[in-house]
Parts: sequence; structure tokens; C-alpha cells
Amino acid sequence: GENVEQHPSTLSVQEGDSAVIKCTYSDSASNYFPWYKQELGKRPQLIIDIRSNVGEKKDQRIAVTLNKTAKHFSLHITETQPEDSAVYFCAASNGNAGKSTFGDGTTLTVKP
Amino acid sequence: DAGITQSPRYKITETGRQVTLMCHQTWSHSYMFWYRQDLGHGLRLIYYSAAADITDKGEVPDGYVVSRSKTENFPLTLESATRSQTSVYFCASTLAGGPEQYFGPGTRLTVT
Repeated sequence: GENVEQHPSTLSVQEGDSAVIKCTYSDSASNYFPWYKQELGKRPQLIIDIRSNVGEKKDQRIAVTLNKTAKHFSLHITETQPEDSAVYFCAASNGNAGKSTFGDGTTLTVKP
Repeated sequence: DAGITQSPRYKITETGRQVTLMCHQTWSHSYMFWYRQDLGHGLRLIYYSAAADITDKGEVPDGYVVSRSKTENFPLTLESATRSQTSVYFCASTLAGGPEQYFGPGTRLTVT
């Protein structure tokens, strides 16, 4: 089955700096790569996603890049703000039964 | 989102007792999922269901039972609770063919 590895497990940045979280996947059939944000005590919520036919996608301060050859994808957050502090999960899906395999999460702390 | 709810939100039970966690969604999503979230392990899939009366095992199914007699409900039962099942449980759903998952608010279960 699919295996998703996520790094780093914790990340601390100063407000205004950029943050990068990286994930690798094992199944070359995976074609959908979402990122979820989970604030403390809340449910995970989708913040951005990318499909395998696209190399990069941006949404304001958030961007995701995908390298299919290397089987890795990354989340980039620019101009970080304290409200970006949360746990971020990457996931990979091949569209099979809607299942996604999740990484173990990255705890991002943005210091004011 | 009010569209997917879980009950109870918090539960304390004793080792050996049976406990059922409820999940209800109002979107008529075909696929539903149960995850457990433990520190350092991200979201691990317990069971999933593609439609009413169709269920399948995920990554960590041992000790759990599910049923899905109606599209909107997907209860998870711990037949004989163990301390290792202390966790936060999230239910999720997704449209047929759509891998984005919508999570419920979670149930924090403590087994003493």
C-alpha cells in the first residue's frame, strides 16, 4: 500500500518568515495530494491540494509543489502569521475508494 | 461544518466495556471513514465504507467493528475497550470519486 513520510515533525519560525514542509510518497499511482490544517482541538480541514497533472499551485500565501518523478511534494507558506500555527498533514490518494494515506503531521509554531 | 457530526464528543469508559461512537452526515456522501489520531502517528484509517452495507478494513481495524445500514450513519463500535484504544477518533466523508475528505469534530475517548 501507499506510504507517506512527512518532514519535519516540528517546525518553528519567526513571524514573517517562510515555512516549508515536505512529503514523499511510495505509490506511483497516487494522483491527488491534499494538505490539511488542524488547529488545536479542532478537526483537520483542507487548505490546498494538487493533482498529478500540475506541478505547482498557489493560493495567496500558500503554495504546493509536486515532483512526480521524485515522488515528493511540498507545502510552502510565505509571510507566516501566528494564526498559521497548527498541525499540517499531507496525504496521497490514487482515487481508490476515496482513500487517502496521511503523513504523521508537522507541528508549525509561528513566533510573534 | 454541521454537515458531519459525531457523538459523543467526549467519552470515558472502562477496560472491557463496549462503546459505540456515532457519525452522521447530511450530504449523502457515498464514502465514509473512521480514523484514530494519536500523538506521533497522524491519522490512521480504521475502517471505511463505500456505500450502505459495504465496509472494508483500513490500516488498524483490530478491536473495532463498523456497520452502515444507512448512507448517512457510520457507527464505530469497540467491542471490548482496551487502554490502547484511548485516542481521538475522527469520522470523515467524501463524495463518490472525490478524494477531498470532510472531517467531523472528533470524539475524545479515554479508556481507564
